[in-house]
Amino acid sequence: SQTIHQWPATLVQPVGSPLSLECTVEGTSNPNLYWYRQAAGRGLQLLFYSVGIGQISSEVPQNLSASRPQDRQFILSSKKLLLSDSGFYLCAWSALPGEKLFFGSGTQLSVL
Amino acid sequence: QQPVQSPQAVILREGEDAVINCSSSKALYSVHWYRQKHGEAPVFLMILLKGGEQKGHEKISASFNEKKQQSSLYLTASQLSYSGTYFCGTERTSYGKLTFGQGTILTVHP
Repeated sequence: SQTIHQWPATLVQPVGSPLSLECTVEGTSNPNLYWYRQAAGRGLQLLFYSVGIGQISSEVPQNLSASRPQDRQFILSSKKLLLSDSGFYLCAWSALPGEKLFFGSGTQLSVL
Repeated sequence: QQPVQSPQAVILREGEDAVINCSSSKALYSVHWYRQKHGEAPVFLMILLKGGEQKGHEKISASFNEKKQQSSLYLTASQLSYSGTYFCGTERTSYGKLTFGQGTILTVHP
């Protein structure tokens, strides 16, 4: 069966520090991968999505970036965090575009 | 463009019914529904494709009115486990780029 792993679960970082969140999917090949952010009490905002290795589409201009170095690995990064980067970050995958999303357990990021 | 969900919050007693609406100003290809418990990841409920198809399982069902670009989620005979935040996600194409609504908080009391 397919599983998605996301870590860390919680992270507290100072403003200006770098960020690296990792997500891996097991049990499937060539998944579509997504990074979403959820501010407290708000909906989910699509940040990045990828249909294949090295193929990244950005939805929101910001100081975050994403990379897909391997088929089932998706990384969210920042060189310098801002206070506004705080939130709940969720990685998700789908077998094909438009199919149901399977979400990871999320990372609660607090930038102080 | 973000779909609009209504109501923003619903409070029910066990056994009562609820309807959550999701509206878009743009033509849609599909609508997804997810439920999120506090501090957890959203969990998929169902997908509706354009064509007005109604889907459901157990006591949760949904419809999609393509002409009105509106979807409704129906929860009947609610259970305590139904509590959570319900999100609709809409797609304008089949490329998999979901845009989520702001969510509807559903609370079911004994």
